[in-house]
Amino acid sequence: EPEVTQTPSHQVTQMGQEVILRCVPISNHLYFYWYRQILGQKVEFLVSFYNNEISEKSEIFDDQFSVERPDGSNFTLKIRSTKLEDSAMYFCASEQGTDTQYFGPGTRLTVL
Amino acid sequence: GENVEQHPSTLSVQEGDSAVIKCTYSDSASNYFPWYKQELGKGPQLIIDIRSNVGEKKDQRIAVTLNKTAKHFSLHITETQPEDSAVYFCAANLPGDSFGNEKLTFGTGTRLTIIP
Repeated sequence: EPEVTQTPSHQVTQMGQEVILRCVPISNHLYFYWYRQILGQKVEFLVSFYNNEISEKSEIFDDQFSVERPDGSNFTLKIRSTKLEDSAMYFCASEQGTDTQYFGPGTRLTVL
Repeated sequence: GENVEQHPSTLSVQEGDSAVIKCTYSDSASNYFPWYKQELGKGPQLIIDIRSNVGEKKDQRIAVTLNKTAKHFSLHITETQPEDSAVYFCAANLPGDSFGNEKLTFGTGTRLTIIP
């Protein structure tokens, strides 16, 4: 069964450094999402992406965040200058256009 | 925007008994309600979903009910097994804009523990 994959599984970085989180959505899906989950809290929407542009973003998704689909398979989330409060699990999700979103296993980002 | 509330935050049931988790939503425009199961260290896995044109959906031991008037929906797990132990999240969509994408708003989660 096709699934969303994410790399790395765990990323440790120093405050102020740039990180890129990578996702490979399910191949025939059209809509892509990033969510985050701070430890012990609920999953929060960050951004949605369709047809090579951002469709919607939350107030969390400020100028330090960007997304890109550099080729036909990868979908990336970049944080330009990480802050301590960026520490969280980041989930990528993809959707075919039928409402159902499938989530990847997540990347645990730790900012020191 | 949408707000989703979920209860209870923790639930312990004896193996073989039933578990019920309830959610309410605020935006009457929401029309899609998935339930996700999250095991420790893993991403949310879709277990069942329901659209607003039906009131109930069942898949083996799992069922979801939706009351659009009251804006609440519930997850029912029957004949619970130890492998059902996990955190369960409800979610509601906000129907897509002109691009068609639909962000999900999640509830705060229920930690379900099945006691052998």
